[in-house]
Amino acid sequence: NAGVTQTPKFQVLKTGQSMTLQCAQDMNHEYMSWYRQDPGMGLRLIHYSVGAGITDQGEVPNGYNVSRSTTEDFPLRLLSAAPSQTSVYFCASMGRTKGFLEQYFGPGTRLTVT
Amino acid sequence: SQQGEEDPQALSIQEGENATMNCSYKTSINNLQWYRQNSGRGLVHLILIRSNEREKHSGRLRVTLDTSKKSSSLLITASRAADTASYFCATDARGVYSGAGSYQLTFGKGTKLSVIP
Repeated sequence: NAGVTQTPKFQVLKTGQSMTLQCAQDMNHEYMSWYRQDPGMGLRLIHYSVGAGITDQGEVPNGYNVSRSTTEDFPLRLLSAAPSQTSVYFCASMGRTKGFLEQYFGPGTRLTVT
Repeated sequence: SQQGEEDPQALSIQEGENATMNCSYKTSINNLQWYRQNSGRGLVHLILIRSNEREKHSGRLRVTLDTSKKSSSLLITASRAADTASYFCATDARGVYSGAGSYQLTFGKGTKLSVIP
């Protein structure tokens, strides 16, 4: 299994540009989520999905859109990038292992908005 | 606001010493998990302790949970330089976000551990 994969690893955008961060998992997990990590802030949940066709907002959803057309993929879209969205973005999926929920993270996408 | 708060924010120890990190949280939980993150890398799940457990071991890791104080500690014994990383606790949010059910994990800001060879 490849686990959770993310592309790209690095991205530089100009203010106002849009882009999509890709995330895929091959573990057949129903639950997937996107976090952003900023210095001194830990991880903050942006959006999550409990299954194909179902998404919901997390702690910091503004400026981001998601969709979940398949179990495997959960892309994150930045509609109009702002410098405040400069961050490291992690995608994660969650499944039950031996009866408890375990979360698997992708390697991250480092985004800089100038 | 953060559900889990780690303490200290940074910790520097000599190789071979034990490292203790603490986590406090605010609401009732199903379980508490600890993760490690090496610089520039993703998070790696270390250990999970359920709300009805008080202590759990995994190799050199020892986790305790005190639900009355809403706190947990992670002890790394006989630390190695390779243990240098940031450590995060995470708790399930039990419906903090609409529709979340029992699927949410809320992370603290982390403790940055440096183990000096």
